[in-house]
Formats: sequence, structure tokens, C-alpha cells
Amino acid sequence: SQQGEEDPQALSIQEGENATMNCSYKTSINNLQWYRQNSGRGLVHLILIRSNEREKHSGRLRVTLDTSKKSSSLLITASRAADTASYFCATDLTNQGGKLIFGQGTELSVKP
Amino acid sequence: KAGVTQTPRYLIKTRGQQVTLSCSPISGHRSVSWYQQTPGQGLQFLFEYFSETQRNKGNFPGRFSGRQFSNSRSEMNVSTLELGDSALYLCASSLRGPNYNEQFFGPGTRLTVL
Repeated sequence: SQQGEEDPQALSIQEGENATMNCSYKTSINNLQWYRQNSGRGLVHLILIRSNEREKHSGRLRVTLDTSKKSSSLLITASRAADTASYFCATDLTNQGGKLIFGQGTELSVKP
Repeated sequence: KAGVTQTPRYLIKTRGQQVTLSCSPISGHRSVSWYQQTPGQGLQFLFEYFSETQRNKGNFPGRFSGRQFSNSRSEMNVSTLELGDSALYLCASSLRGPNYNEQFFGPGTRLTVL
């Protein structure tokens, strides 16, 4: 069974708007990661946030983590058509790498 | 540095056959993980190999197996293929340990079982 549940399942926005995706998980984690996948290809790592961190930034990406609510959010600011992809959260229970439990993903469509 | 490579990229098999997929990790990465992606079940962890030893295993039947060689290259094998095994199989490599930051994914092998 999946560890993470993502919300929304699909999101359609205009270029320039912000996109927010949410992820909830069930068990305690060591870190949570976000990945992007274009059209059924390999996944690309976006950002990792550790369990003792609350917020992290990388370029136009902002990730928050609330361990008390077992939830995380990914915010993409000033979205571009090239951001169109599926976004997945993944939890690492071991903090050693190697085994990630993925959510079902959010399909983001950014219209020019 | 070359990325993670997977071969073959596409494969068509029939029920009952077996298949072997190959993954070459990024140079210096000793951890290789395998994932299955289907529209219905999403991305599911199959197993992880590190230093030629299976370190973690997902909830898949024994028909799914893998191994890792001394050069860190990994293979996974699926025997007695079923229609439900049709999927995108992704492998990922990483530096194992508490300071690792990400897994690097290959482009995947798309397996179709007829």
C-alpha cells in the first residue's frame, strides 16, 4: 500500500500562477522528497526535506513539512509550461536511502 | 558523469515467459533500487541492493528477483510473466547513508506482457 496520499490528483493552471500540491503520509519518517516525472519517463529529484526541518527552498520551489500532521506541501511559484509533469512525494523511513515509498502523484498542467 | 542507464528500453513478452532487465548505476553509487510503476498501483518499491546484498525488499511475489554485481550493475528478473506485470520498471542509484540526498533514476524499461 502507498505511504503517501497526494492532493489534488490533477491540477490545471495558467502560466505565471502558483501551484500547490499536498502530500500526507502515515508513519514516522526520516525525510520526505519530491520528484517530477515527465510523460512516463524517469523521475527527477526536486528537493529533500528532513524530519527536523520545517521549510526548504530551491529556486521557484518551496517545500514545507509538518510532522505533527504528517503532511508536506510543494509550492511552485510563477509556473511555466515546462513545469507540466507529474509530481510525487516519497518518504524515506530508514534515512539510509535505497527504499522510497511514493504517493500516487499530482498531475500538473500549466497552460501557456 | 553518465546517468543511470537501463536496458532494454522496451520489451514485449508473452505470459509464462521470463525477462531480465539491466541497470547500470552512476559511477561511484553502490546502492541500486528497483521500482515498478503501473497506472493502477503507482510507483511501488521492489528491492534495493547495496554491495551485492539485498538490503530492502518490497511486497512482491518471489517471481521477482534481482542481483547486483561487483561493479554495482544490477539485474532484475521476473519469471512466469503475468499480464499484470506489464509496467514501467525504474531503477535508481544513490549514495547510501544518512547524508544522501537523492536517488537518481534511469529512463525505465517498459515491459508489455501479452
